[in-house]
Amino acid sequence: AQSVAQPEDQVNVAEGNPLTVKCTYSVSGNPYLFWYVQYPNRGLQFLLKYITGDNLVKGSYGFEAEFNKSQTSFHLKKPSALVSDSALYFCAVRRAGNNRKLIWGLGTSLAVNP
Amino acid sequence: GAVVSQHPSRVICKSGTSVKIECRSLDFQATTMFWYRQFPKQSLMLMATSNEGSKATYEQGVEKDKFLINHASLTLSTLTVTSAHPEDSSFYICSAPGASGDLGTGELFFGEGSRLTVL
Repeated sequence: AQSVAQPEDQVNVAEGNPLTVKCTYSVSGNPYLFWYVQYPNRGLQFLLKYITGDNLVKGSYGFEAEFNKSQTSFHLKKPSALVSDSALYFCAVRRAGNNRKLIWGLGTSLAVNP
Repeated sequence: GAVVSQHPSRVICKSGTSVKIECRSLDFQATTMFWYRQFPKQSLMLMATSNEGSKATYEQGVEKDKFLINHASLTLSTLTVTSAHPEDSSFYICSAPGASGDLGTGELFFGEGSRLTVL
């Protein structure tokens, strides 16, 4: 079965420190991978995606993610966290050639402490 | 980026009444829209795929007679929660693929969500 795992329900980091939000996936074939962010009581916003090419992709608000095919991971990273980065982060995957439905992780709540 | 507008952002209704939520793509056309339901501190649950000019495709376990979806134009999809009950209280979010051509690689654009509270 196809699935996306975000192993941490919550991640806490101090402002200015690097942050990582983990995502692993299980999808047959080539995956298209996405990260979205959700601020409280708001809809989701697209952060970045991996389709093909360079394994390191850069996205909005200084975030980046690295696609690792051998480890089937797509961890979200940022070199220096801001308090305003505190939000709920979702990893999602779509199998290449599949319909347009995304498979979603359960989300990771990021808290950046001042 | 593409903008999706969702209305109302909050609605409180009495049990047994029906509530309509609108989702509009403001600067692009969307032949497909997705309706999600989100419970507190939980992931998104895809309820249905709304298709312009045809019937919506519902996910397993979602009652199509309770959650009526209409996609009457290329910029508007509506979700009507019929005979709402307190257990229908939730955060409902719509989304649409951007006008990226290849919908497989394209990201989704989300509305701001609608908080439904059924008393």
